[in-house]
Amino acid sequence: EVQLVQSGAEVKKPGESLKISCKGSGYSFTSYWIGWVRQMPGKGLEWMGIIYPGDSDTRYSPSFQGQVTISADKSISTAYLQWSSLKASDTAMYYCARKQTGGFGYWGQGTLVTVSS
Amino acid sequence: EIVLTQSPGTLSLSPGERATLSCRASQSVSSSYLAWYQQKPGQAPRLLIYGASSRATGIPDRFSGSGSGTDFTLTISRLEPEDFAVYYCQQYGSSPPLFTFGPGTKVDIK
Repeated sequence: EVQLVQSGAEVKKPGESLKISCKGSGYSFTSYWIGWVRQMPGKGLEWMGIIYPGDSDTRYSPSFQGQVTISADKSISTAYLQWSSLKASDTAMYYCARKQTGGFGYWGQGTLVTVSS
Repeated sequence: EIVLTQSPGTLSLSPGERATLSCRASQSVSSSYLAWYQQKPGQAPRLLIYGASSRATGIPDRFSGSGSGTDFTLTISRLEPEDFAVYYCQQYGSSPPLFTFGPGTKVDIK
């Protein structure tokens, strides 16, 4: 069974750094792109970026380029999304999702990130 | 950059009724790269339709997708209680941003 399991909720202060994770299982982790999607409170879905764990090829949405870093460790089948300096506006639910033909077919359960002083 | 517009913003219907949701793109989208998702409160999105008209695994046949070019439609033939949710269309292109979501249509109970 394909599963994407994300790390737990985080509460951080502005300016702090953060790295959240997404662990894949039940499939060949290196063979599928993993994307990250942001959902701010009460809002829609925004695509942030995507990584191919097989060779770490990474693409970012222009809206998120330079704001976050996406990486993967294929030895432990885990993708990451990280911030070097959080802002209050980064408060959101973050989803990882596995890309397949035509769309994102499998999603993680989401990681809620709250940034507040 | 392709912009997706969904209408209506909210659709109020009763169980058993037919729902027709629209997704319009600012420029032509390859049908192969147009998808629809369903999201219920507190849950991750779920892929319903890919390639504009192909149902994802396990999706009931009351869900259907159609369209081409700039106009796409998701139809729910007879609404079941579990279908009341928010629906997003999404396109995948070759230039940044690679993936774009529409703003969503909320289908709620009348």
